Amino acid sequence: DAKTTQPNSMESNEEEPVHLPCNHSTISGTDYIHWYRQLPSQGPEYVIHGLTSNVNNRMASLAIAEDRKSSTLILHRATLRDAAVYYCILRDLALSGGSNYKLTFGKGTLLTVNP
Amino acid sequence: EPEVTQTPSHQVTQMGQEVILRCVPISNHLYFYWYRQILGQKVEFLVSFYNNEISEKSEIFDDQFSVERPDGSNFTLKIRSTKLEDSAMYFCASSTGLVWSSGNTIYFGEGSWLTVV
Repeated sequence: DAKTTQPNSMESNEEEPVHLPCNHSTISGTDYIHWYRQLPSQGPEYVIHGLTSNVNNRMASLAIAEDRKSSTLILHRATLRDAAVYYCILRDLALSGGSNYKLTFGKGTLLTVNP
Repeated sequence: EPEVTQTPSHQVTQMGQEVILRCVPISNHLYFYWYRQILGQKVEFLVSFYNNEISEKSEIFDDQFSVERPDGSNFTLKIRSTKLEDSAMYFCASSTGLVWSSGNTIYFGEGSWLTVV
């Protein structure tokens, strides 16, 4: 499987920023870094993705290290609805040439948001 | 916002019975997927489907599983003879293009919870 390392869990307070880290030292040069999240009893939900530059959308920001070996998902003001498992996902290099189709989910980071 | 819809939301079936899970992907998407998640475990890839054929499948997707796009809108997963270990949440997903080479995103449905008794 593609190698990503995320903390098992993190805790935040409502309305505060949250920085969710991910290490991916074996990333391939042209592969995107994807972040998904899974709210309780729901399907995975796309959050953001990026290649080299930092990215922003209405949900979050993605800060990518210059060497691309790590990235950080930033939730600017956490809400109770942001409590979920957050997955940092890279291409599955276990397959010859790497899969072009699938996302390989790890255990992710369980984010708890306190009121 | 367009979404992937799945039916049924929950199905209970007896071991050995056939089950068909149905999905309506987002209308302009070309790539279709099934994933599953056993309770308390990771989300696992089953199969991807493009241009009316399987483009990739996992070891889980054995001869008991099949997928079909019978018309222009539905995408189905059939489990021919269910086993107890098939009990899981099954997620359908779709995308406009390839995830990794083009950076497209995959949109997931809410899931169909299958309980085999």
